[in-house]
Parts: sequence; C-alpha cells; structure tokens
Amino acid sequence: QKEVEQNSGPLSVPEGAIASLNCTYSDRGSQSFFWYRQYSGKSPELIMFIYSNGDKEDGRFTAQLNKASQYVSLLIRDSQPSDSATYLCAVRRGGSSNTGKLIFGQGTTLQVKP
Amino acid sequence: DTGVSQDPRHKITKRGQNVTFRCDPISEHNRLYWYRQTLGQGPEFLTYFQNEAQLEKSRLLSDRFSAERPKGSFSTLEIQRTEQGDSAMYLCASSLAPGQGNKPNTGELFFGEGSRLTVL
Repeated sequence: QKEVEQNSGPLSVPEGAIASLNCTYSDRGSQSFFWYRQYSGKSPELIMFIYSNGDKEDGRFTAQLNKASQYVSLLIRDSQPSDSATYLCAVRRGGSSNTGKLIFGQGTTLQVKP
Repeated sequence: DTGVSQDPRHKITKRGQNVTFRCDPISEHNRLYWYRQTLGQGPEFLTYFQNEAQLEKSRLLSDRFSAERPKGSFSTLEIQRTEQGDSAMYLCASSLAPGQGNKPNTGELFFGEGSRLTVL
C-alpha cells in the first residue's frame, strides 16, 4: 500500500464546473496536508495547506480533511482551463515522529475543457 | 530572483559517468530537500538537511547517490556511475522548519525548477 494514494486520472471537467480531487493516506500519524499544483514541465507550487479536520477555503479552492477516514480532498469551483494541471497531495507526519519530509502521491491530472 | 535555484537545468550524460547537481535554497530557509520525479509520478523523497546536518536519507537511495550541504547553504547531489534508470527530474526544495520564522509557517516546501537528467 502506498503511503499517499491518488487517482492518476485524467479527470476531465467542463469549464465552470466543480472539480473534486481525492487523496487517501495510510499513516495515522500524519498531521499536515498539502495540495500542490504542477503544470507540465514546471515545478510544484503550493495551493492549499490544511491540518485541522473540516474545510478550509481560499478563493475558488476548498481543502477538506477527515483524519478518521484518512482522507483529504481538494475542490476547485468554477474551474478554468488555466486550472488544467497535475494536482499533488502531500502529507507530513507530526509529533515526535515528525521527520520534516513531505510524502507525495502520484498526482491527479485535471483537464478543464472550454 | 530570491527563489530556489538549481543548476544545471538539463544534463545529458552517458551511462557510467558521474553527475553533480547544485541547489541554492531561499536564503533564510534552514531545511533543504532533494526529490526525484519521473513522468507520471509524484516527487519521490531522496534526502533532506537541516542546516548542514543530513537528517534523513531514503532507503531507496543507492550508495551511488550522495548529497552534501557543507556550510548549511547550498547543496550538491552527486550520482556516481549513472544508469539509465537514473533518468529523471531532480527537484530541490527548501523550507523553514515548522514553527520557525517571524510569520506563520506551515513548513511548506518551495521547489526549484529542477534539474533534468538524461542518461544515454
């Protein structure tokens, strides 16, 4: 079992729709969760960070965390063609086992069609 | 530009040759990470430093890989006796340790543009 799992996609949505990206993780000690966006040929850039159960909203993006289910998701409202990219979920362990590193999933490719 | 910089951006080498990549982190960041990414995969952790100390090295990393951060600033990643399977994008990232710094700090990683290695 991979530590962080994502559906590789591609996930295709029409412009203006809501895109829902999902991620599960295996380590119950994980305490920090990150969503990075990576355009083709570019490096990852952070778009959302969450550490508490529930929802966190930033503009068109909402991150949702459910630690009991070991599940984190990213919703993109009013999807735009410029949102077409690979979205990487990453987790970091916390507490005494915090090693500092982020463990990444394989990423979900999102295609937003005009 | 005050971001993470990597050099060279592209390297083509023949199997068996040694290659070295350099990473200059964001100046106030005390942590520096190396990741490897192949097509269709997420970044795979290789190693990371806090200041000059190498705190963790992936068990997947063979003895042909070595990384240094001698003065706690820039870092180098050397691959000896390269193999075709080493072909990948090598990403460097830096961060503050969580909780450090004057502003709220999530410990997020800031990535450089990467060094692409092609082994023929």
